[in-house]
Amino acid sequence: QVQLVQSGAEVKKPGASVKVSCKPSGYTFTGYYLHWVRQAPGQGLEWMGYISPNSSVTKYAPRFQGRVTMTRDTSITTAYMDLSRLTSDDTAVYYCARATFSKSYYLDYWGQGTLVTVSS
Amino acid sequence: QSVLTQSPSVSGAPGQRVTISCTGSSSNIGAGYDVHWYQQLPGTAPKVLIYGNNNRPSGVPDRFSGSKSGTSASLAITGLQAEDEADYYCQSYDRSLSYVFGTGTKVTVL
Repeated sequence: QVQLVQSGAEVKKPGASVKVSCKPSGYTFTGYYLHWVRQAPGQGLEWMGYISPNSSVTKYAPRFQGRVTMTRDTSITTAYMDLSRLTSDDTAVYYCARATFSKSYYLDYWGQGTLVTVSS
Repeated sequence: QSVLTQSPSVSGAPGQRVTISCTGSSSNIGAGYDVHWYQQLPGTAPKVLIYGNNNRPSGVPDRFSGSKSGTSASLAITGLQAEDEADYYCQSYDRSLSYVFGTGTKVTVL
């Protein structure tokens, strides 16, 4: 069965960076794009970007450009999302999700989420 | 501030039919891009409910249906059940912003 397991909760100070990992299982790692979506407390879903685990090609949402980096390590079939220059507005649950294509891409499997708290 | 607008909340009694709208523009839904719908139960990750405007993944009850017309899309829930109480999000593609989510709708079962 398909699963995406994410790293544990993080507490960071303003100005720091955070790196969240996502380890899929149950399918071929390089066969599907991985997206990152975040959700601030009590707020809606916000798309951050995606990475192709096969080619490492990335695309980021304009508002995160320059501050987010998505990478992958095919040797351990793990994807990462690195967000820098954190502020309190970055406090959120961060999800990775697999994209499946059926006329268009949609997110069919999601990780359990990683809470990142930014506080001084 | 999302480019896909949803009504903040809808409610209905068990057994009733409710609809959730998702309004976009000529840069996203109106440009022909598909709409997908996700259900998020309290404290859990989102789950795909409808993909490609009107397709249900296996395991999703046929009480849920989707449609799209012009610059808008809708999710209908017929025979509302207590377990349907959740947040619902539409998602599409925008020519400028890439992937976008709707603002979200909270469904309350009275």
